[in-house]
Amino acid sequence: GAGVSQSPRYKVAKRGQDVALRCDPISGHVSLFWYQQALGQGPEFLTYFQNEAQLDKSGLPSDRFFAERPEGSVSTLKIQRTQQEDSAVYLCASSFLGRVGGELFFGEGSRLTVL
Amino acid sequence: LAKTTQPISMDSYEGQEVNITCSHNNIATNDYITWYQQFPSQGPRFIIQGYKTKVTNEVASLFIPADRKSSTLSLPRVSLSDTAVYYCLVGGGNTDKLIFGTGTRLQVFP
Repeated sequence: GAGVSQSPRYKVAKRGQDVALRCDPISGHVSLFWYQQALGQGPEFLTYFQNEAQLDKSGLPSDRFFAERPEGSVSTLKIQRTQQEDSAVYLCASSFLGRVGGELFFGEGSRLTVL
Repeated sequence: LAKTTQPISMDSYEGQEVNITCSHNNIATNDYITWYQQFPSQGPRFIIQGYKTKVTNEVASLFIPADRKSSTLSLPRVSLSDTAVYYCLVGGGNTDKLIFGTGTRLQVFP
């Protein structure tokens, strides 16, 4: 596709449910990032992949958060036993470069609301 | 990791030049300085990136002094559509993450 695609765009979950958010990066992009953005705040780093390798997951807020990119392309961010504080927009970004520092292309985000 | 500090908000009028300054005292030798723009309900969009001195593209200029402890994004002749949040990021050297700050909310008035 022409850009980074994220799905679903909107997700409402009851507290305690598991959710999965999908990111389709730009074809050929090596690096993939997940960010969490609360209302009125800047994006907060969650995790970073270079191809299929998860090189940094220091931003994942708890062990309920899990991300994968098994074939070095599509990535999924999974949140188990969702809590109200997980409500946020989850942004995915990809970059052609195999290192941080290149231009990041962001998707429109997945807005998660936990009731 | 280098932390950035930028004004929370700025106001301007159409046709004016806007300069947004970002402080990054702890910038590392290998770090780049990158600016992103974000509109409501959209992901951030790359504006410009530089390492030192001055960089210019079709939408903005980036001024970086010799000590690289700050940078200034310059938007010439802003329009209403430039109303957005602007983020200054430092990183991309040996770090594996790019840290967004709180950003500068620019409001352009007619």
